[in-house]
Amino acid sequence: DADVTQTPRNRITKTGKRIMLECSQTKGHDRMYWYRQDPGLGLRLIYYSFDVKDINKGEISDGYSVSRQAQAKFSLSLESAIPNQTALYFCATSEATGPRRYNEQFFGPGTRLTVL
Amino acid sequence: DAKTTQPNSMESNEEEPVHLPCNHSTISGTDYIHWYRQLPSQGPEYVIHGLTSNVNNRMASLAIAEDRKSSTLILHRATLRDAAVYYCILRDSPNAGGTSYGKLTFGQGTILTVHP
Repeated sequence: DADVTQTPRNRITKTGKRIMLECSQTKGHDRMYWYRQDPGLGLRLIYYSFDVKDINKGEISDGYSVSRQAQAKFSLSLESAIPNQTALYFCATSEATGPRRYNEQFFGPGTRLTVL
Repeated sequence: DAKTTQPNSMESNEEEPVHLPCNHSTISGTDYIHWYRQLPSQGPEYVIHGLTSNVNNRMASLAIAEDRKSSTLILHRATLRDAAVYYCILRDSPNAGGTSYGKLTFGQGTILTVHP
């Protein structure tokens, strides 16, 4: 089973609709992240969370909100979707302690979101 | 944030070595050099990282210039499965308190094509 899972994997929606993307992890990591990727570009950070009570904005948080329901779950919401939010969305996790805590982020398979 | 410069694309033949360059002339003394790769239709995955000394792991080697203004990711024997986008990323080091974010900032990366 995958360590980092994302649901749904694909979603088509209309402008103005509220959308929630979910991320779950079984790695036991405290830190979780949401990124978006546009065609031909690298990933950009939307939000990140160090633990359940610690949520921080990334470089492109406008139009998005997040919820950290538990250590293992981190959801991204688009309150009123717009076409330029059409992108590939990735969730990632990393350790908070130990020698590897700043080394690796583990990414989910991505959610392809299309806003018409 | 210090930036990296990578070629847009490179090609290699299967079972030959591949040297992927990265320039980071504005690197600070505490920046770590990380490499991630993104296989088609997948999320990014960690490859290797280093600070000053050359590093080897099961996936690749990282050669860091003495002045740290450039580095090279080396795949010793490319396989078809190594075809991916390779990202060179500078990551700020954790602070003494262990709470530093150490974020990943992705550029456009290098598209590596491996020919059979």
